[in-house]
This record gives sequence, C-alpha cells and structure tokens, in this order.
Amino acid sequence: GAGVSQSPRYKVAKRGQDVALRCDPISGHVSLFWYQQALGQGPEFLTYFQNEAQLDKSGLPSDRFFAERPEGSVSTLKIQRTQQEDSAVYLCASSLGTSGTPEDTQYFGPGTRLTVL
Amino acid sequence: AQSVSQHNHHVILSEAASLELGCNYSYGGTVNLFWYVQYPGQHLQLLLKYFSGDPLVKGIKGFEAEFIKSKFSFNLRKPSVQWSDTAEYFCAVNALRDSSYKLIFGSGTRLLVRP
Repeated sequence: GAGVSQSPRYKVAKRGQDVALRCDPISGHVSLFWYQQALGQGPEFLTYFQNEAQLDKSGLPSDRFFAERPEGSVSTLKIQRTQQEDSAVYLCASSLGTSGTPEDTQYFGPGTRLTVL
Repeated sequence: AQSVSQHNHHVILSEAASLELGCNYSYGGTVNLFWYVQYPGQHLQLLLKYFSGDPLVKGIKGFEAEFIKSKFSFNLRKPSVQWSDTAEYFCAVNALRDSSYKLIFGSGTRLLVRP
C-alpha cells in the first residue's frame, strides 16, 4: 500500500516568508510525528498528534512553528517568518498507535528539504 | 534529558568484512530501542527493534543488535557486509514513560562498503 507522502519535496523560501509543509500519513494510522533533520544530524522531534489532538509540541523550536491535523489525517507544519536556521529536512512519520504502544513502528516519509535564503 | 550517542560517524569497509556500529543511550528508565537505515535516495526505514525479551534481536538483511542494559548499549552487527549495505544508519530510543513515544535519534553513521 501507499506509504507516508510529503509535499513539496523541496522548498526554497526567502527569509521572512511563511511556508506550509504537508504530510499524508498511511491510511488508518492514528499517530503522526514531525521531525526536523539538520545537515549531518539525526532527526529531532518536533511534535506529535494522536488523531486530531496535538499531545506533545515540546520540540517546536519557537512560536513561529505551528502544526495542525484538523481531521485526524493530513497534517500541515507551518513556519512563519522563516529564518536561515530553519533550513533542514522536515520528516513526517506515522504509526498505527491504536493501543498506544511505544513499540509501534514509525513509518517515515521522504521529507521536505527546506532552504531559507 | 535522553540522548543517544553513535560514536562512529563514518565507517568504510570492504565487502565480506564484519560490521559493528556502536550506540549508547542515556536514560535511566525502561526504553525501546531501534535501528533505522536510510539507503541513498530513500526514506528512513526500520531495520530492527527491541522492546522486551531476548536481548539479541534479529532484523532484516542479516542485521542483528544486542541490548546490554548494564552498558546502556544497543550495538548493530552484521557478520559479512555487502556493497548494497552502503547507507546511513541511525540508532533511536523512546521511553515507555513518555506518552508521546517520540524517537530520540543519534547523529547517524555513514557506512560505505567497497566492492
């Protein structure tokens, strides 16, 4: 079946612009995660949704970052007034999460590479 | 705070050589442990995971990892690597008491296997 998809795959923004990154999780997956991966680093957690509820946003680096999943399926990560330090690959992952078991496998999308000039 | 350390950032091996990639984590409670792999141009995908039971875990493509609780380690091994194992490998952990089950990743190890 289809995996996690993300769009756009590449985004170039001028400093100060707003951007919106989209994630389509695997159908039926309850849990959805956003991660940020800087060059040469491992992914770092940004936020977590269970259905439409944002249960953990402790990893969002500033109030310029906002995520939503209004119908419990597609999610959007929005970054306002982008800065150069926001340049990174933004990864989305989903998991079944129906029983809330932490050993659920997280399936990752291809990521969106954001470059802020 | 939880952290994951991968001590080898770049590893170069010849085909048929044995592989061991180190992973250490810092967290005092019960954890689940994962190895993810990213082949060139592809998504991150799960290689293997440990959450309970036998500390020696077998994954796909002949990989295995051993959880040593006393050493806070979860090293990845493969007895004989192939050129197709060239990829970046990430160790990750999540904590059972963390209700978001977020993964904490190491910085990754780039493996290059020469034919």
